[in-house]
Amino acid sequence: DARVTQTPRHKVTEMGQEVTMRCQPILGHNTVFWYRQTMMQGLELLAYFRNRAPLDDSGMPKDRFSAEMPDATLATLKIQPSEPRDSAVYFCARSDGTSGSPLHFGNGTRLTVT
Amino acid sequence: QKEVEQDPGPLSVPEGAIVSLNCTYSNSAFQYFMWYRQYSRKGPELLMYTYSSGNKEDGRFTAQVDKSSKYISLFIRDSQPSDSATYLCAMSYTNAGKSTFGDGTTLTVKP
Repeated sequence: DARVTQTPRHKVTEMGQEVTMRCQPILGHNTVFWYRQTMMQGLELLAYFRNRAPLDDSGMPKDRFSAEMPDATLATLKIQPSEPRDSAVYFCARSDGTSGSPLHFGNGTRLTVT
Repeated sequence: QKEVEQDPGPLSVPEGAIVSLNCTYSNSAFQYFMWYRQYSRKGPELLMYTYSSGNKEDGRFTAQVDKSSKYISLFIRDSQPSDSATYLCAMSYTNAGKSTFGDGTTLTVKP
């Protein structure tokens, strides 16, 4: 299966709490993306990594968001502290970087911050 | 103005109809053009992928890219209820680089 696995699928938390979202396995595919989807903004790119190094995180509010790849098969997105405006579906996607390679998305983490 | 504009829909068609989904873009540097399909509460999945201008056909689906007009289309022939989903166009500058997405068009095919 080309899809990545995202956990948790759903998360409800109170404003101010830390949220950690996970994406695995990456299986050596070298480019990993984090997108956020809302009704108002659609799919927005937050950050992406190549070979575990961040290439572009300009879409992330850096004061509260952080994205990392602790190892070659795991990507994480953290929000601390969370705010109600962070409520969205967060998607991880991977690309194998070869010619013509598409994005393979996970099924997302649906985050609700109250 | 967004870099990628997609016809907002929603679209509702009877089974068997031909469906046309469209996007326009402003940046002539885009080279790779994709269509993704997203079912409710699922992640987008790649449907069609085209490099530069031209047509590409895959079964009932045809993707068209007109770079001179900065316009791309996805045609679905003999539409089926199982085609009911949100369709997202996406574009990128380089292969395996970041993609910019349209806002999506929700299609309902009625039996």
